[in-house]
Amino acid sequence: SYVLTQPPSVSVAPGETAGISCGGNSIGTKSVHWYQQKPGQAPVLVISYDDNRPSGVPDRFSGSNSGGTATLTISRVEAGDEADYYCQVWDFGSDHYVFGTGTRVTVL
Amino acid sequence: EVQLLESGGDSLQSGGSLRLSCAASGFRLSTYVMNWVRQAPGKGLEWVSGISGRGGTTYYADSVKGRFTISRDDSKNTLYLHMNDLRGEDTALYYCAKTRSYSFDYGLDVWGQGTTVTVS
Repeated sequence: SYVLTQPPSVSVAPGETAGISCGGNSIGTKSVHWYQQKPGQAPVLVISYDDNRPSGVPDRFSGSNSGGTATLTISRVEAGDEADYYCQVWDFGSDHYVFGTGTRVTVL
Repeated sequence: EVQLLESGGDSLQSGGSLRLSCAASGFRLSTYVMNWVRQAPGKGLEWVSGISGRGGTTYYADSVKGRFTISRDDSKNTLYLHMNDLRGEDTALYYCAKTRSYSFDYGLDVWGQGTTVTVS
């Protein structure tokens, strides 16, 4: 089955830039979506189709997918960005949605 | 306003059955791919099942295939998850989530608040 691997945690100071990686076999051939989940809340889509921001998502959030890794970048990090982040793809080979292992972002 | 409201979660014993419901408002459920995603306590997100908007093709995670059935009632604009032979590892918060389009290759842009299933 298809597996997406993320670092368990990322720590970043306010105002700095956080990068969260998402690795998977031939991930560059897939469309990657990213979700933010704060404690006690449902996930929220923050990036779709590798690098598209849904309406209402701050432009501090950006995405890329190249070189065998997808990346979510949060610029000018704020305390309110502290959350768990998950990448996700649709695997056409198995007809399954696959979520990454999740990354907890801590704002120092 | 586009909303999803889950219900039906409960505490029950291993081997039991349960039906979860997800009432949609603000959009026609049959137009989009709809999904169930679960999250065990303290764990990550796990996709459970999805149903296409056109034709109603269904897909299941290997962990639930043969035990769970996804369905929808277009007249009630409601999505269901029928769960049989429940096991301890099915204990989780179950979310209903809408895909952005009729295709599975889109992100999940609307989520409910979830309903809790506890199996002991």
